[in-house]
Amino acid sequence: AQKITQTQPGMFVQEKEAVTLDCTYDTSDQSYGLFWYKQPSSGEMIFLIYQGSYDEQNATEGRYSLNFQKARKSANLVISASQLGDSAMYFCAMRPWGGYSSASKIIFGSGTRLSIRP
Amino acid sequence: DAGVIQSPRHEVTEMGQEVTLRCKPISGHNSLFWYRQTMMRGLELLIYFNNNVPIDDSGMPEDRFSAKMPNASFSTLKIQPSEPRDSAVYFCASRAPTGDYGYTFGSGTRLTVV
Repeated sequence: AQKITQTQPGMFVQEKEAVTLDCTYDTSDQSYGLFWYKQPSSGEMIFLIYQGSYDEQNATEGRYSLNFQKARKSANLVISASQLGDSAMYFCAMRPWGGYSSASKIIFGSGTRLSIRP
Repeated sequence: DAGVIQSPRHEVTEMGQEVTLRCKPISGHNSLFWYRQTMMRGLELLIYFNNNVPIDDSGMPEDRFSAKMPNASFSTLKIQPSEPRDSAVYFCASRAPTGDYGYTFGSGTRLTVV
């Protein structure tokens, strides 16, 4: 069965510090994609970063980076120099690879609520 | 690009009434997904369509739920009759046919059944 586990229900971090949000996944698929989404208090789901299972380099997008450890089935999100606006719920998600022409569902973890202290 | 458009943003209805949620995906996206978010169960995939065809509806909780996608630019999720436990935020998301950079979500519909 495919599953995403986020073990940190909530975290408090001081502004400007780096923060790591943990995510482990379970799948028997050889190919898959990993995602992180941000959900601020306003409720929308915002795509942050993507990592393919065959990508050798860790994905980066501005202050976001994904620490991908395939053997450990870990896909932690690292936010550098945290800002007050980073306070939100963060979801790790996984999609089995269905090929470019087909769709496959994304499954989500339970989320981590990140609060940035000024 | 207007993004994924959902309507209404908020819906309050009485138990037993029919509720219809609407979604317009991003033009050119060929996959559409309906998710439900609750505190207890998190984000659950209800159903998804590829090229307007339902691919997987195993997440639809009961026969009271139905979804349609009559064309590439419109989808509905209907609950009939609605019950208080259906109260949740319902998200629609769409995905482009190429690349694998996640879905684009709509703003969601917050449904309250009283």
